[in-house]
Amino acid sequence: DGGITQSPKYLFRKEGQNVTLSCEQNLNHDAMYWYRQDPGQGLRLIYYSQIVNDFQKGDIAEGYSVSREKKESFPLTVTSAQKNPTAFYLCASGDRVTSGANVLTFGAGSRLTVL
Amino acid sequence: GQNIDQPTEMTATEGAIVQINCTYQTSGFNGLFWYQQHAGEAPTFLSYNVLDGLEEKGRFSSFLSRSKGYSYLLLKELQMKDSASYLCAVRDSNYQLIWGAGTKLIIKP
Repeated sequence: DGGITQSPKYLFRKEGQNVTLSCEQNLNHDAMYWYRQDPGQGLRLIYYSQIVNDFQKGDIAEGYSVSREKKESFPLTVTSAQKNPTAFYLCASGDRVTSGANVLTFGAGSRLTVL
Repeated sequence: GQNIDQPTEMTATEGAIVQINCTYQTSGFNGLFWYQQHAGEAPTFLSYNVLDGLEEKGRFSSFLSRSKGYSYLLLKELQMKDSASYLCAVRDSNYQLIWGAGTKLIIKP
């Protein structure tokens, strides 16, 4: 079945450590996105990529980094520069937006807790 | 700035009807989406509106008024499995999605 796989589902990190969250999709989507979800707030865009080897910063990119070496993969690194990294992270994919619905498909999320 | 407002939490009874409202102020408009998200899980797509009016899909319907910056999601014949958060999102003039904080719907027997 086609879908998006995020791993790990739960992750604990000590302050000062970098961690990488994995996101893989087999939907043949060009575009991939990373969102952060905090209680009482809407999803906030961290980074997105419309094509391989290209990506753009979202609204809250500081302290995060990404790569897009393959169409299927869009890993997110949470660096030690991110001041408040404890959150639920969602990866999504979709067709490149030109018109129409372009529905996003989401992964099951990764919950990061900084100890 | 861009803003989407939804009620934080709503309670309804199994078998009843509930309407979840969403108002928005965005830079341009290229469609409005409703997603359902069960706790700790991925959001899943429910509906898409780009023209004014009502879109019906089984027990769920979504309405849009672009002139009022307003949408609602109508859930009929509520079931316990409908207990979830409902996220409203608007695509702006740059084709970026702006998300509301979500409405947590609690269904009671």
